[in-house]
Amino acid sequence: DVKVTQSSRYLVKRTGEKVFLECVQDMDHENMFWYRQDPGLGLRLIYFSYDVKMKEKGDIPEGYSVSREKKERFSLILESASTNQTSMYLCASRDGTGALANEKLFFGSGTQLSVL
Amino acid sequence: GQQLNQSPQSMFIQEGEDVSMNCTSSSIFNTWLWYKQDPGEGPVLLIALYKAGELTSNGRLTAQFGITRKDSFLNISASIPSDVGIYFCARAGGTSYGKLTFGQGTILTVHP
Repeated sequence: DVKVTQSSRYLVKRTGEKVFLECVQDMDHENMFWYRQDPGLGLRLIYFSYDVKMKEKGDIPEGYSVSREKKERFSLILESASTNQTSMYLCASRDGTGALANEKLFFGSGTQLSVL
Repeated sequence: GQQLNQSPQSMFIQEGEDVSMNCTSSSIFNTWLWYKQDPGEGPVLLIALYKAGELTSNGRLTAQFGITRKDSFLNISASIPSDVGIYFCARAGGTSYGKLTFGQGTILTVHP
């Protein structure tokens, strides 16, 4: 089975801190994604990466950056955490061969980040 | 970005009841997806729909791709306690990168 592992289940940080959320997948997937989940808003795409060192902004990239130095690892960075970034963060990966049937995303279990 | 309107926002039902939820959009899409998120876990794909009018089943779940290509429906028959969770509709973007847009989610609670 595909496994997407997020390094922390819960994180508590202070306003202004630099925060790193790490995600690793073990299926050699080309595409990786970071979403945030908020009640009543569903999942919103922050950034995605279609290959190593490649990245594209999603719908809500402000206040975030990403890094993909290796195929299996996709990091989300909050340069200066703010209280409105308190949320559940979900990482996902996908086989990027481009075939229509490969719209299936595999998600990690999420990181609940609280910024105080 | 494009928005999906999912309803209802939440449902409280008795075990054994049938459930229906839907998702609408102002734009036409070629792919509709339904995901389920169990408590404490990430979402998992339940059903994928690729053609207008398509009706697809996965056990007690049945989903349909609306004929107008602007909506989709998910039905759960004879609900059981493990059906509890959040159900999301999603649509695929125009690229091959798997960029998905999700609805707001329907929170399902099943009372034994």
